[in-house]
Amino acid sequence: AQTVTQSQPEMSVQEAETVTLSCTYDTSESDYYLFWYKQPPSRQMILVIRQEAYKQQNATENRFSVNFQKAAKSFSLKISDSQLGDAAMYFCAYRSLNTGGTSYGKLTFGQGTILTVHP
Amino acid sequence: DTGVSQDPRHKITKRGQNVTFRCDPISEHNRLYWYRQTLGQGPEFLTYFQNEAQLEKSRLLSDRFSAERPKGSFSTLEIQRTEQGDSAMYLCASSLGSGGYGNTIYFGEGSWLTVV
Repeated sequence: AQTVTQSQPEMSVQEAETVTLSCTYDTSESDYYLFWYKQPPSRQMILVIRQEAYKQQNATENRFSVNFQKAAKSFSLKISDSQLGDAAMYFCAYRSLNTGGTSYGKLTFGQGTILTVHP
Repeated sequence: DTGVSQDPRHKITKRGQNVTFRCDPISEHNRLYWYRQTLGQGPEFLTYFQNEAQLEKSRLLSDRFSAERPKGSFSTLEIQRTEQGDSAMYLCASSLGSGGYGNTIYFGEGSWLTVV
């Protein structure tokens, strides 16, 4: 079974600054997706960014980028030019693409990191 | 299309009572997932459907839990004889396709359950 670990329960950043959230995962599979989801208080989970494991190039979505290190099984999220609206719980998630496995298609989440943005 | 919707958003019930949550996925999404999330934790997988077929159930889903998706559209999650440990947010999600590349999973806002 796959596991996802987020070792930072809480992080804070000043508005307009850059912050990096850490995530490590454990898997024996070679084919998978990794995601970062954002969950604001009392609001729904929103996809921030995704990375295909077969791609060496790190994914980027506007102010959000990842540092994907497949060999190290590391997947960190960098938020540049932080905004007050970025404050939320952030979850790293793994999605198996192994069609023969029981985990196929579903997401496995880390414990989450609460991000606070100070004005 | 307004996304994944869940009802009710909040439910307070007495221990021992039965509760039912409903999820309406995004139209034409054939996969539907249920997750449970407790405060300060990440969501944990409970079960999922492909169309009307329930393909997998987590060991977290005890015999008191049952989920259905009768016509491959909306789904219900029923908890019988609720216990205080069932207090959590129950998240529904849906996706189009069988989980291959590019099939994003979209989440609803969740249904909060408090058992007193």
